[in-house]
Amino acid sequence: EAGVTQFPSHSVIEKGQTVTLRCDPISGHDNLYWYRRVMGKEIKFLLHFVKESKQDESGMPNNRFLAERTGGTYSTLKVQPAELEDSGVYFCASSHGILVHEQYFGPGTRLTVT
Amino acid sequence: QKEVEQNSGPLSVPEGAIASLNCTYSDRGSQSFFWYRQYSGKSPELIMSIYSNGDKEDGRFTAQLNKASQYVSLLIRDSQPSDSATYLCAVRTPDNKFYFGSGTKLNVKP
Repeated sequence: EAGVTQFPSHSVIEKGQTVTLRCDPISGHDNLYWYRRVMGKEIKFLLHFVKESKQDESGMPNNRFLAERTGGTYSTLKVQPAELEDSGVYFCASSHGILVHEQYFGPGTRLTVT
Repeated sequence: QKEVEQNSGPLSVPEGAIASLNCTYSDRGSQSFFWYRQYSGKSPELIMSIYSNGDKEDGRFTAQLNKASQYVSLLIRDSQPSDSATYLCAVRTPDNKFYFGSGTKLNVKP
């Protein structure tokens, strides 16, 4: 069974540019989560999808961040326009269902905004 | 106050010893607790989950949960150099949010 995949693995962009991150969850996992880890800090929750619906987006920093999960399969996280403080590692995780809370993480996307 | 607190370490133990990693959490209603291992530059890897008070054993790993004290621990028996990594404690709160500690770095010396 394939694990969670993320693309790209690294992205370097200039302040003001747009970047789109992609996550493909484990097949059959309804729950998809986005997290971010800023250097030296703990992993922080951004949002949670259940299938195609946003269950909780309370962790999204501001309206420059937009997440979608078309058809309840893969998800994208767009940052527009990017700011320096958006730099960090963005992780995606998925889990099977509401009663099963074990989350499996993707390899992450390292975003550097210069 | 952070939702999940961990000592950042590093915790150094000799090969073959027991490594004890600790975590405290602030939301008393939390029900689900997880330990992840993260090698440098890699993603977190789930190694244990625990939901009930007491101990849960899986191979060389034992997770311990004490809800009254809001305390979770991970014991690694017969520590190996390959266990050297950062160990993250994660907690699911009653409102279904997940919080991570900043991690404890473990060094197992050959």
